[in-house]
Amino acid sequence: GDSVTQMEGPVTLSEEAFLTINCTYTATGYPSLFWYVQYPGEGLQLLLKATKADDKGSNKGFEATYRKETTSFHLEKGSVQVSDSAVYFCALSMNTGFQKLVFGTGTRLLVSP
Amino acid sequence: SAVISQKPSRDICQRGTSLTIQCQVDSQVTMMFWYRQQPGQSLTLIATANQGSEATYESGFVIDKFPISRPNLTFSTLTVSNMSPEDSSIYLCSVEGDRTNYGYTFGSGTRLTVV
Repeated sequence: GDSVTQMEGPVTLSEEAFLTINCTYTATGYPSLFWYVQYPGEGLQLLLKATKADDKGSNKGFEATYRKETTSFHLEKGSVQVSDSAVYFCALSMNTGFQKLVFGTGTRLLVSP
Repeated sequence: SAVISQKPSRDICQRGTSLTIQCQVDSQVTMMFWYRQQPGQSLTLIATANQGSEATYESGFVIDKFPISRPNLTFSTLTVSNMSPEDSSIYLCSVEGDRTNYGYTFGSGTRLTVV
C-alpha cells in the first residue's frame, strides 16, 4: 500500500542553521504531497503542498520539491528560528476522488538559541 | 479553507466510560476523517464519514468501539466507547479542501487521558 518514510528525530539545530528533513514515499500512482506542522500543544497545520511532479511548495521560508524520479519531498529551510521547534509530518494523498492522508512518523525539530 | 471547531479540547475519563467528540465545520463538506495520534506516534486514520451513510473503518478499528455519526454536511461526532488506558491519545477530525487546493484542514484535536 501507499506509505511515507521520514527521517528519525529529533533533529537538533542552532538558530540560523540550515534544515533538511528527508521524506520519501511509495505510491501506486501520482499522489499529492504535503508537509504538516504540529506546534507543542496544538493541532496540525498545513505547511506546504505540491500536487504534481517538479512542483515546489513553499511557506514561511520552508520549501519542498516534488521529485518523481527519487519519490521524495524533502523539507528545507535556509535559516531556522527557535519558533520553528515543532513536529513535522510528511504525508501523501492520492488524487482520485476523496482520499485519506497517509502520514509519515513525524520528525521532531528542536531549535536552540 | 474550512474552519473546524472541535470539542472538547481535552478530557480525563474513567476506564469503562465513553466520550463523544464533536466537530463542527463552517462550510458543507462531503467527507470527514477521524484520526488518532497515540503518544509520540504519527496519525492513524480511524474512519471516513460520509453524510447519510455508515462510516468506513480502517483495519483495526470497529464501529462498536468508535461509533461515528454524520447527521449533516457540517457536523460529525466520534465516540470512544468502553475506554481503557490504551485509548489515551489525541483524536483529530479533518476535512478535505477544494479539488484544486488538495489541502486538508484539521481540528485542534481532543487530548484524551483514560485513568
